Amino acid sequence: QQQVKQSPQSLIVQKGGISIINCAYENTAFDYFPWYQQFPGKGPALLIAIRPDVSEKKEGRFTISFNKSAKQFSLHIMDSQPGDSATYFCAATRDNYGQNFVFGPGTRLSVLP
Amino acid sequence: DSGVTQTPKHLITATGQRVTLRCSPRSGDLSVYWYQQSLDQGLQFLIQYYNGEERAKGNILERFSAQQFPDLHSELNLSSLELGDSALYFCASSPREGLYHKNIQYFGAGTRLSVL
Repeated sequence: QQQVKQSPQSLIVQKGGISIINCAYENTAFDYFPWYQQFPGKGPALLIAIRPDVSEKKEGRFTISFNKSAKQFSLHIMDSQPGDSATYFCAATRDNYGQNFVFGPGTRLSVLP
Repeated sequence: DSGVTQTPKHLITATGQRVTLRCSPRSGDLSVYWYQQSLDQGLQFLIQYYNGEERAKGNILERFSAQQFPDLHSELNLSSLELGDSALYFCASSPREGLYHKNIQYFGAGTRLSVL
Protein backbone atom coordinates (compact mmCIF):
# COMPACT_ATOMS: atom_id res chain seq x y z
CA GLN A 1 0.00 0.00 0.00
CA GLN A 2 2.98 2.24 0.39
CA GLN A 3 4.13 1.83 -3.22
CA VAL A 4 3.98 4.42 -5.94
CA LYS A 5 4.13 2.96 -9.44
CA GLN A 6 5.56 5.05 -12.27
CA SER A 7 5.67 4.56 -16.03
CA PRO A 8 7.29 4.56 -18.46
CA GLN A 9 10.75 3.69 -17.22
CA SER A 10 12.26 5.72 -20.05
CA LEU A 11 10.85 8.10 -22.63
CA ILE A 12 12.25 9.61 -25.81
CA VAL A 13 10.49 12.64 -27.23
CA GLN A 14 11.27 14.98 -30.10
CA LYS A 15 11.86 18.64 -29.35
CA GLY A 16 8.54 20.44 -29.22
CA GLY A 17 6.60 17.30 -28.38
CA ILE A 18 4.60 16.44 -25.29
CA SER A 19 6.14 14.23 -22.60
CA ILE A 20 3.73 12.33 -20.39
CA ILE A 21 4.71 10.41 -17.27
CA ASN A 22 2.15 8.49 -15.23
CA CYS A 23 2.04 7.50 -11.58
CA ALA A 24 -0.38 5.44 -9.54
CA TYR A 25 -0.71 4.96 -5.80
CA GLU A 26 -2.61 2.65 -3.49
CA ASN A 27 -2.73 4.43 -0.16
CA THR A 28 -5.82 6.65 -0.10
CA ALA A 29 -4.34 8.54 2.86
CA PHE A 30 -1.79 10.16 0.55
CA ASP A 31 -2.75 13.75 -0.09
CA TYR A 32 0.31 15.54 -1.35
CA PHE A 33 1.94 14.58 -4.66
CA PRO A 34 5.17 16.31 -5.70
CA TRP A 35 7.24 15.72 -8.81
CA TYR A 36 11.01 15.96 -8.67
CA GLN A 37 13.44 16.54 -11.53
CA GLN A 38 16.97 15.17 -11.31
CA PHE A 39 19.80 16.01 -13.68
CA PRO A 40 22.88 13.75 -13.88
CA GLY A 41 25.24 14.40 -11.00
CA LYS A 42 22.68 16.47 -9.09
CA GLY A 43 20.17 15.83 -6.37
CA PRO A 44 16.43 15.80 -7.07
CA ALA A 45 14.76 19.21 -7.12
CA LEU A 46 11.07 19.94 -6.59
CA LEU A 47 9.42 20.70 -9.93
CA ILE A 48 5.71 20.98 -9.22
CA ALA A 49 3.28 19.53 -6.71
CA ILE A 50 -0.45 19.02 -6.33
CA ARG A 51 -2.95 18.33 -3.61
CA PRO A 52 -6.10 16.29 -4.39
CA ASP A 53 -8.50 19.18 -3.92
CA VAL A 54 -7.69 20.22 -7.51
CA SER A 55 -7.65 18.09 -10.66
CA GLU A 56 -4.95 20.01 -12.47
CA LYS A 57 -2.08 22.35 -11.70
CA LYS A 58 -0.05 24.17 -14.30
CA GLU A 59 3.29 25.94 -13.96
CA GLY A 60 4.70 27.13 -17.25
CA ARG A 61 5.17 24.15 -19.54
CA PHE A 62 4.61 21.66 -16.72
CA THR A 63 1.15 20.38 -15.77
CA ILE A 64 0.06 17.82 -13.21
CA SER A 65 -3.24 16.07 -13.83
CA PHE A 66 -4.79 14.31 -10.86
CA ASN A 67 -7.52 11.65 -10.88
CA LYS A 68 -8.49 10.95 -7.29
CA SER A 69 -10.99 8.18 -8.04
CA ALA A 70 -8.46 6.28 -10.14
CA LYS A 71 -5.64 7.08 -7.71
CA GLN A 72 -3.50 8.26 -10.59
CA PHE A 73 -1.61 11.41 -11.40
CA SER A 74 0.51 12.40 -14.34
CA LEU A 75 3.07 14.97 -15.40
CA HIS A 76 2.75 16.59 -18.80
CA ILE A 77 5.64 18.56 -20.25
CA MET A 78 4.46 20.68 -23.15
CA ASP A 79 6.83 21.87 -25.89
CA SER A 80 9.54 19.56 -24.52
CA GLN A 81 13.08 20.91 -24.83
CA PRO A 82 16.49 19.19 -24.79
CA GLY A 83 17.12 20.95 -21.47
CA ASP A 84 14.23 18.97 -20.00
CA SER A 85 16.24 15.76 -20.43
CA ALA A 86 16.48 14.41 -16.89
CA THR A 87 15.04 11.76 -14.60
CA TYR A 88 11.62 12.55 -13.18
CA PHE A 89 10.31 11.11 -9.93
CA CYS A 90 6.78 11.26 -8.68
CA ALA A 91 6.22 10.99 -4.95
CA ALA A 92 3.40 10.81 -2.47
CA THR A 93 2.94 11.53 1.20
CA ARG A 94 0.36 12.51 3.73
CA ASP A 95 0.39 16.28 3.77
CA ASN A 96 0.79 16.23 7.49
CA TYR A 97 3.21 16.39 10.32
CA GLY A 98 5.96 13.81 10.43
CA GLN A 99 5.24 11.80 7.32
CA ASN A 100 7.79 10.95 4.67
CA PHE A 101 7.75 10.58 0.94
CA VAL A 102 7.30 7.39 -1.04
CA PHE A 103 9.00 7.86 -4.39
CA GLY A 104 8.22 6.26 -7.71
CA PRO A 105 11.11 4.45 -9.44
CA GLY A 106 11.74 7.31 -11.86
CA THR A 107 11.42 8.00 -15.60
CA ARG A 108 14.44 8.89 -17.68
CA LEU A 109 13.37 11.47 -20.26
CA SER A 110 15.46 12.22 -23.33
CA VAL A 111 14.35 15.07 -25.56
CA LEU A 112 15.97 14.90 -28.99
CA PRO A 113 16.97 18.17 -30.68
CA ASP B 1 22.59 25.31 -6.02
CA SER B 2 20.16 24.01 -3.38
CA GLY B 3 22.21 25.28 -0.43
CA VAL B 4 22.59 21.75 0.97
CA THR B 5 26.23 20.65 1.07
CA GLN B 6 27.31 17.04 1.11
CA THR B 7 30.85 15.75 1.53
CA PRO B 8 32.64 13.89 0.19
CA LYS B 9 31.33 13.77 -3.38
CA HIS B 10 32.83 10.35 -3.98
CA LEU B 11 33.98 7.63 -1.61
CA ILE B 12 35.64 4.36 -2.52
CA THR B 13 36.16 1.79 0.19
CA ALA B 14 36.36 -1.93 0.78
CA THR B 15 33.88 -4.41 2.19
CA GLY B 16 33.80 -4.51 5.97
CA GLN B 17 34.90 -0.91 6.35
CA ARG B 18 33.12 2.01 8.00
CA VAL B 19 32.52 5.43 6.43
CA THR B 20 30.94 8.70 7.48
CA LEU B 21 28.97 10.92 5.13
CA ARG B 22 28.44 14.55 6.10
CA CYS B 23 25.60 16.94 5.34
CA SER B 24 25.25 20.66 6.01
CA PRO B 25 21.64 21.78 5.61
CA ARG B 26 20.48 25.06 4.15
CA SER B 27 20.88 27.97 6.52
CA GLY B 28 17.93 28.00 8.90
CA ASP B 29 16.62 24.55 8.01
CA LEU B 30 15.97 22.41 11.06
CA SER B 31 15.08 19.10 9.39
CA VAL B 32 17.56 16.80 7.72
CA TYR B 33 16.64 13.69 5.72
CA TRP B 34 18.85 10.92 4.37
CA TYR B 35 18.05 8.91 1.25
CA GLN B 36 19.73 6.06 -0.59
CA GLN B 37 19.47 5.93 -4.38
CA SER B 38 20.45 2.76 -6.18
CA LEU B 39 19.70 1.52 -9.67
CA ASP B 40 17.45 -1.32 -8.56
CA GLN B 41 15.79 0.27 -5.51
CA GLY B 42 15.22 3.83 -6.66
CA LEU B 43 15.12 6.58 -4.03
CA GLN B 44 14.62 5.15 -0.55
CA PHE B 45 14.09 7.20 2.58
CA LEU B 46 16.47 6.23 5.38
CA ILE B 47 16.04 8.55 8.35
CA GLN B 48 14.98 12.05 9.39
CA TYR B 49 16.21 14.37 12.11
CA TYR B 50 14.62 17.55 13.37
CA ASN B 51 16.61 19.97 15.51
CA GLY B 52 18.89 17.21 16.76
CA GLU B 53 16.26 14.56 17.41
CA GLU B 54 15.42 11.52 15.36
CA ARG B 55 11.90 11.91 13.97
CA ALA B 56 11.30 9.16 11.44
CA LYS B 57 12.95 6.00 10.23
CA GLY B 58 12.57 4.36 6.88
CA ASN B 59 14.42 1.47 5.33
CA ILE B 60 17.61 1.99 7.28
CA LEU B 61 19.78 -1.03 8.06
CA GLU B 62 21.00 -1.66 11.59
CA ARG B 63 24.57 -1.25 10.27
CA PHE B 64 23.70 2.36 9.43
CA SER B 65 23.24 5.15 11.92
CA ALA B 66 22.94 8.91 11.81
CA GLN B 67 22.93 11.91 14.04
CA GLN B 68 22.29 15.63 13.86
CA PHE B 69 24.59 17.89 15.80
CA PRO B 70 23.80 21.15 17.67
CA ASP B 71 25.00 23.18 14.67
CA LEU B 72 22.39 21.20 12.66
CA HIS B 73 24.83 19.41 10.38
CA SER B 74 24.25 15.69 10.12
CA GLU B 75 26.37 12.61 9.62
CA LEU B 76 25.37 9.23 8.25
CA ASN B 77 27.58 6.39 9.45
CA LEU B 78 27.73 3.20 7.42
CA SER B 79 29.56 0.24 8.93
CA SER B 80 30.45 -3.34 7.97
CA LEU B 81 30.01 -2.25 4.40
CA GLU B 82 28.82 -4.72 1.79
CA LEU B 83 28.97 -4.59 -1.99
CA GLY B 84 25.23 -3.90 -2.05
CA ASP B 85 25.70 -0.68 -0.09
CA SER B 86 27.21 0.93 -3.18
CA ALA B 87 24.80 3.72 -4.06
CA LEU B 88 24.23 7.44 -4.13
CA TYR B 89 23.40 8.83 -0.71
CA PHE B 90 21.44 12.07 -0.64
CA CYS B 91 20.81 14.45 2.17
CA ALA B 92 17.90 16.87 2.06
CA SER B 93 16.80 19.63 4.38
CA SER B 94 13.62 21.57 5.01
CA PRO B 95 12.75 24.50 7.26
CA ARG B 96 10.33 22.66 9.49
CA GLU B 97 9.37 19.21 10.61
CA GLY B 98 7.20 17.02 8.44
CA LEU B 99 6.77 17.04 4.70
CA TYR B 100 3.93 19.12 3.38
CA HIS B 101 3.24 21.64 0.71
CA LYS B 102 4.62 24.57 2.68
CA ASN B 103 7.73 22.74 3.87
CA ILE B 104 9.74 22.10 0.71
CA GLN B 105 12.58 19.64 0.84
CA TYR B 106 15.90 20.64 -0.81
CA PHE B 107 18.38 17.97 -1.84
CA GLY B 108 22.15 18.06 -1.86
CA ALA B 109 24.20 16.76 -4.79
CA GLY B 110 24.83 13.44 -3.07
CA THR B 111 27.76 11.26 -2.09
CA ARG B 112 28.57 8.38 -4.42
CA LEU B 113 29.75 5.42 -2.38
CA SER B 114 31.53 2.57 -4.09
CA VAL B 115 32.24 -0.53 -2.02
CA LEU B 116 34.81 -2.80 -3.67
